[in-house]
Amino acid sequence: DGGITQSPKYLFRKEGQNVTLSCEQNLNHDAMYWYRQDPGQGLRLIYYSQIVNDFQKGDIAEGYSVSREKKESFPLTVTSAQKNPTAFYLCASSIAGGNTGELFFGEGSRLTVL
Amino acid sequence: RKEVEQDPGPFNVPEGATVAFNCTYSNSASQSFFWYRQDCRKEPKLLMSVYSSGNEDGRFTAQLNRASQYISLLIRDSKLSDSATYLCVVPRFTGGGNKLTFGTGTQLKVEL
Repeated sequence: DGGITQSPKYLFRKEGQNVTLSCEQNLNHDAMYWYRQDPGQGLRLIYYSQIVNDFQKGDIAEGYSVSREKKESFPLTVTSAQKNPTAFYLCASSIAGGNTGELFFGEGSRLTVL
Repeated sequence: RKEVEQDPGPFNVPEGATVAFNCTYSNSASQSFFWYRQDCRKEPKLLMSVYSSGNEDGRFTAQLNRASQYISLLIRDSKLSDSATYLCVVPRFTGGGNKLTFGTGTQLKVEL
């Protein structure tokens, strides 16, 4: 079955530690995205990538980093510079080049900073 | 006005009821709109697209009012399984790809 796989599903970390969230897709989509969701707020775009080896900052990129070395993979690192990292992180992918509005999401990673 | 604004609810309705909720948007140039459904603690999934005046899919109808800059989602004959949060989504026009602005969502609870 084609889809997007995020791991881990739940993650706890101590303050000051970096953590990397994995996102893999086998939909052959060129574009991939990372969103963050907090209670009472809409999804906010962290980073996105429209093609391998290229990515752009979204609305709230500070304290995060990404890489796109393979089409299938778009890992997100939450660094210690991120002030409020506790959130639900969603990875998504789509066909490139158009505003079709259809994003395919992974099941999400719930990060809690202790 | 916010880019996308929704009443957070919750809307509590009995099974079989018809329920509608609106979403307002600020960019008058927006041409397409989307409704996503998100179950509790799950990922959002595309429910419907609205490109012109409206769209209907079974019990679900999405309508667009360009003059007043809002879209609505109507659910007829509500089922318990319709309980979820419905996200209104509007594309942006800066850059390429599917850069979307998500509303905060409207929570629907369908009860026996």
